[in-house]
Amino acid sequence: GDSVTQMEGPVTLSEEAFLTINCTYTATGYPSLFWYVQYPGEGLQLLLKATKADDKGSNKGFEATYRKETTSFHLEKGSVQVSDSAVYFCALNRETSGSRLTFGEGTQLTVNP
Amino acid sequence: NAGVMQNPRHLVRRRGQEARLRCSPMKGHSHVYWYRQLPEEGLKFMVYLQKENIIDESGMPKERFSAEFPKEGPSILRIQQVVRGDSAAYFCASSPGQGKNQPQHFGDGTRLSIL
Repeated sequence: GDSVTQMEGPVTLSEEAFLTINCTYTATGYPSLFWYVQYPGEGLQLLLKATKADDKGSNKGFEATYRKETTSFHLEKGSVQVSDSAVYFCALNRETSGSRLTFGEGTQLTVNP
Repeated sequence: NAGVMQNPRHLVRRRGQEARLRCSPMKGHSHVYWYRQLPEEGLKFMVYLQKENIIDESGMPKERFSAEFPKEGPSILRIQQVVRGDSAAYFCASSPGQGKNQPQHFGDGTRLSIL
C-alpha cells in the first residue's frame, strides 16, 4: 500500500539556519505530493504541492522538488524564522486511492531566536 | 470566505456515551474527508463523502463509527459507545472536486477526550 516516510524529529534550529526535512514515499503510479504545516492547536494548512515529476512547489520561502527517481519530496528553506516553528507533514494522493491523503508521521520543528 | 468549520473544538465524553462531531465544508466544496490523529502520530484517513453518498469508508472502524453528509447541513461523524482509545483529534477536510491534484482544506479539528 501507499506510505510516506519522514525524517524523525524533533528538529531544533537557530534562526536563519538552513532547513531540510526529508520525505520519501512508496506508491504505484504517479501520485501528487504535498507538504502541510500544523501550528499548535490548529488544523493543517497546505504549504505547497507538486503534481508531476520534476515539479517544484514553493511558498513562503519553502521549496520541495518532486523526484520520481528517488521517490522523494524533501522540504527546504534557506533561512528559518521563529514563526516557522510547527509540525510539518508530507502527504501523497493517488487518483485511484479515492482521493484520500496518505500522511507521514510529521516532523516537529522548533526554531530558537 | 469561511474556511472549513468544525465543532465542537473540544468534546469530553465518558466511556459508553456517544460523540457527534460536525463539519461544514468550505463554500462551494461538495467533497468531505475525515481523518483521525492519535497523539504523536500523523493523520489517518477514515472516510470520504460527497453529498448524500459515502464514497470510501475503508479507513473507518467497522463498529461504533458512522458518517453522513446530508443534502442539507454539515457532515457528521458519529462514534457510539466511546472507549478510551477513541481519544484523538478528528479533522475534517473539504475539496471542490475529486482527484489527486485537488488540495484538501482542513478545519481546526475536534479534540475528543474520553474519561
